[in-house]
Amino acid sequence: GESVGLHLPTLSVQEGDNSIINCAYSNSASDYFIWYKQESGKGPQFIIDIRSNMDKRQGQRVTVLLNKTVKHLSLQIAATQPGDSAVYFCAEKAHFNNDMRFGAGTRLTVKP
Amino acid sequence: DAMVIQNPRYQVTQFGKPVTLSCSQTLNHNVMYWYQQKSSQAPKLLFHYYDKDFNNEADTPDNFQSRRPNTSFCFLDIRSPGLGDAAMYLCATSRGPRQIYEQYFGPGTRLTVT
Repeated sequence: GESVGLHLPTLSVQEGDNSIINCAYSNSASDYFIWYKQESGKGPQFIIDIRSNMDKRQGQRVTVLLNKTVKHLSLQIAATQPGDSAVYFCAEKAHFNNDMRFGAGTRLTVKP
Repeated sequence: DAMVIQNPRYQVTQFGKPVTLSCSQTLNHNVMYWYQQKSSQAPKLLFHYYDKDFNNEADTPDNFQSRRPNTSFCFLDIRSPGLGDAAMYLCATSRGPRQIYEQYFGPGTRLTVT
């Protein structure tokens, strides 16, 4: 069967609270960053992206913050709902190639 | 409405028995990717095609091969599956090469090796 995987970092929040999920990236050449949501048994689903010439981008209930100085990315989810429960991955990409690298992932659990 | 389709969703194969996973897309995207995702881990890129140009990741085992007969279809062939190859296999597409375009993922095929 499958080899044992790493334990994902876990964030548990109360319904209605705000969630902050963090990600550190390693490649200084990365200039495009994406947050994906992956529910159990499904493929990753695009949430929001940000280019390196920005430090903040807002979507519907989500905000991504980028700090290039310390190579840190965060995803903020406002008024977290049970449907937000999933594993969240950040991904980084450089414009000069097709490769996208995923971060380790964080499991978000929303308690009703 | 499905844009990236993977078949089958669940595949069981025997140790050492070749298996093929398939992916098709209705987006007419130039780039197609195959990822391997093991339990509680991030997806790991195996290889990708830009049109017919095949790009293999350096650490992808030789046991894994891919074919892209046309724009719409891409196949992942595992020549001699081992127990360690049991995983979710994700196909993704993106619009263009070397550009900042998001990737669209299929639902994945979960491979079990007995």
